[in-house]
Amino acid sequence: DGGITQSPKYLFRKEGQNVTLSCEQNLNHDAMYWYRQDPGQGLRLIYYSQIVNDFQKGDIAEGYSVSREKKESFPLTVTSAQKNPTAFYLCASSGGGTGELFFGEGSRLTVL
Amino acid sequence: KQEVTQIPAALSVPEGENLVLNCSFTDSAIYNLQWFRQDPGKGLTSLLLIQSSQREQTSGRLNASLDKSSGRSTLYIAASQPGDSATYLCAVTGAAGNKLTFGGGTRVLVKP
Repeated sequence: DGGITQSPKYLFRKEGQNVTLSCEQNLNHDAMYWYRQDPGQGLRLIYYSQIVNDFQKGDIAEGYSVSREKKESFPLTVTSAQKNPTAFYLCASSGGGTGELFFGEGSRLTVL
Repeated sequence: KQEVTQIPAALSVPEGENLVLNCSFTDSAIYNLQWFRQDPGKGLTSLLLIQSSQREQTSGRLNASLDKSSGRSTLYIAASQPGDSATYLCAVTGAAGNKLTFGGGTRVLVKP
């Protein structure tokens, strides 16, 4: 089945630790995105990548880092510099010219 | 800066009633508009995608319209069912085609 796989589904982190969220897609999409979702707020863009080895900051990139070494993979690292990292993180991809966006099932990060 | 608004934030209807969900955006220079459904704790599922040149899209009981000049889109769900209970989000892609802006969503409850 074609789709986007995010892992882990749930993650707990102690303050001061970096954590990496995985996002893999087998849709052959060029563009990939990371969003953060908080209760009562809409989705906010963290980083996006339109092509391998290139990525751009979104609206809330501070405290996060990404890499795009392979077309299928776009991991997100939540660093200790992120002051309020507890949230639901969603990875998405788009391609094929229509711009339609497809999402993974999300990863819920909780800082203890 | 594009802003997307969805009103109301929550809606409750009896089963069988038609649902009307609204989405407004401030910048009419868009590439496309997409409607999503999100179940609690899950990722987003794409429902309908309307390109900027289109006026509407239909899929089964779902119909979405787009009026760029007034900055509005409406999602109609005919003959609602309890399984339609979810949060519905709209998102607008800017004219450059690389970034989406999401509305805050409308939480729908269909009562049996």
